[in-house]
Amino acid sequence: GAVVSQHPSRVICKSGTSVKIECRSLDFQATTMFWYRQFPKQSLMLMATSNEGSKATYEQGVEKDKFLINHASLTLSTLTVTSAHPEDSSFYICSASLSNTGELFFGEGSRLTVL
Amino acid sequence: GENVEQHPSTLSVQEGDSAVIKCTYSDSASNYFPWYKQELGKRPQLIIDIRSNVGEKKDQRIAVTLNKTAKHFSLHITETQPEDSAVYFCAATNTGNQFYFGTGTSLTVIP
Repeated sequence: GAVVSQHPSRVICKSGTSVKIECRSLDFQATTMFWYRQFPKQSLMLMATSNEGSKATYEQGVEKDKFLINHASLTLSTLTVTSAHPEDSSFYICSASLSNTGELFFGEGSRLTVL
Repeated sequence: GENVEQHPSTLSVQEGDSAVIKCTYSDSASNYFPWYKQELGKRPQLIIDIRSNVGEKKDQRIAVTLNKTAKHFSLHITETQPEDSAVYFCAATNTGNQFYFGTGTSLTVIP
């Protein structure tokens, strides 16, 4: 299957700082990428849809000024958690779909811990 | 929008027995239904999928069935093994649009 790479896999930061997570499609171009948040033992919660060259589409209840998404190229989308707080601690996962088949592939996920 | 429901939330089976997980969806426009397996702390992995023009698909010990009329699809795992233990998610989408995920099923295969 297609490869989606996410970095970093783990990050610990102090409250009030910002953290950037990168999501790359390694062997295909992705005009659309998705960012999810997953709490322990829960399903994937869609945060936003990242569109190459345009603004991201955020789900209801997700603060766009807090979770900044940039999709500057067909292979890279970034999620920046700004002014992080302990309640932002979570597992963040990106995904991208193949345009020809529609199959969705996930990055490795990034576990964020805000102290 | 689409609403995907998944049952059961937890499932325990003896090694060698079969496991069945069921999902329903609400949007008749959904035409692609993948299943993902997620091990603890890891990414969801696509294990099998089915499109709306097919009623059943099988890949070794894993099979998926789709009933478009009733708007439900199911994952069947036969001859379960301990390494099948994981959380399984169903999803539905109208190709090209966002994916809607079920709430997950935690499967435990008891040796």
